[in-house]
Amino acid sequence: AQTVTQSQPEMSVQEAETVTLSCTYDTSENNYYLFWYKQPPSRQMILVIRQEAYKQQNATENRFSVNFQKAAKSFSLKISDSQLGDTAMYFCAFIHPASQKLVFGQGTRLTINP
Amino acid sequence: NAGVTQTPKFRVLKTGQSMTLLCAQDMNHEYMYWYRQDPGMGLRLIHYSVGEGTTAKGEVPDGYNVSRLKKQNFLLGLESAAPSQTSVYFCASGAGTVYNEQFFGPGTRLTVL
Repeated sequence: AQTVTQSQPEMSVQEAETVTLSCTYDTSENNYYLFWYKQPPSRQMILVIRQEAYKQQNATENRFSVNFQKAAKSFSLKISDSQLGDTAMYFCAFIHPASQKLVFGQGTRLTINP
Repeated sequence: NAGVTQTPKFRVLKTGQSMTLLCAQDMNHEYMYWYRQDPGMGLRLIHYSVGEGTTAKGEVPDGYNVSRLKKQNFLLGLESAAPSQTSVYFCASGAGTVYNEQFFGPGTRLTVL
């Protein structure tokens, strides 16, 4: 069974700093997808970024980028120039195309301080 | 285009009472899912459906039942609520594409006393 682990329950940085959230996963599959979701205080789940396992190039979306290390089964999220609106829970998630089911990590609560 | 909606947004039940949570999507998605979110545990899959008339168990199905009589609706039922079912419940839908991006509803906060 696939598992996803986020080892940082909480993180806090100052506005404009760069922060990296860690995620590791365990799977025997070779073809899969990884996601980072953001959950602000509104509770709405928002997709931040997606990475296909067969792509070596790391995904980037504006201030958000990932460091995907397939051999190490690591998938970290880097937020550059952090903003107050980045304050949220962040969840790492895994999906294998055949199962069509997301497996989530425990989440990291990120606070951006002014 | 409302996306995924959930009814109700909040509910308080007494132990032993029953209730049904309604999820509706207007994106013509085949796949629908029910998750529960508990502190420190992320989101865990309760039940899911790969199409109208089909349902399947997820990671934590005990104490819940589901039905998918119409493609756009996915109902989650609690026949006899227990305090352990106090949680935030999320519905999601997906098109079943290769990466199956899932779109989430706003959540329902359920408290069982």
